[in-house]
Amino acid sequence: DVKVTQSSRYLVKRTGEKVFLECVQDMDHENMFWYRQDPGLGLRLIYFSYDVKMKEKGDIPEGYSVSREKKERFSLILESASTNQTSMYLCASSIAGIYTDTQYFGPGTRLTVL
Amino acid sequence: SQELEQSPQSLIVQEGKNLTINCTSSKTLYGLYWYKQKYGEGLIFLMMLQKGGEEKSHEKITAKLDEKKQQSSLHITASQPSHAGIYLCGASSYSGAGSYQLTFGKGTKLSVIP
Repeated sequence: DVKVTQSSRYLVKRTGEKVFLECVQDMDHENMFWYRQDPGLGLRLIYFSYDVKMKEKGDIPEGYSVSREKKERFSLILESASTNQTSMYLCASSIAGIYTDTQYFGPGTRLTVL
Repeated sequence: SQELEQSPQSLIVQEGKNLTINCTSSKTLYGLYWYKQKYGEGLIFLMMLQKGGEEKSHEKITAKLDEKKQQSSLHITASQPSHAGIYLCGASSYSGAGSYQLTFGKGTKLSVIP
């Protein structure tokens, strides 16, 4: 079974803090994704990576950065957290190269920025 | 960009009843995914449909893809409380460098009353 884990289920941070969200997958998947999920807006793609050290902007990259130093690990960084970044963050991974590659999701991190 | 509209937004059914959730795309569907999400948790992959009028079933859940209508439907037979959750559809689109993105609908919240 594919396993995608996220470093925290719940996180509370203060405005202006630097926040790291980590995601690890154990299936040697090339692609990894970060989404945020908000009521009424659904899932929106923040960033994705199709290889180590490679990254691509998704639909809403502003205020975020990512790091992929190892194939199994994809980090989402909030350089200076703001209250509008309070959200549920979901990480996913998939095999590369075929359009029918299924994305497997982690359990999510609910981030609250005060 | 591709947009997915799900209907209904929410659904309350009596245990044992059948129900259908629809997902309509603004563009041609090449890969359509159905996921289920329990409140506050990650997405669980249910099934994937490829272009070509495919139909798949898993236990009491059946999904169909109507490529002409650019629509997919998810049908649950004899619903149970364990079916409760948020159902999301996702459509695959090519994002370059051999990888594909998923665009999601906003979800349908299903409640099953015992």
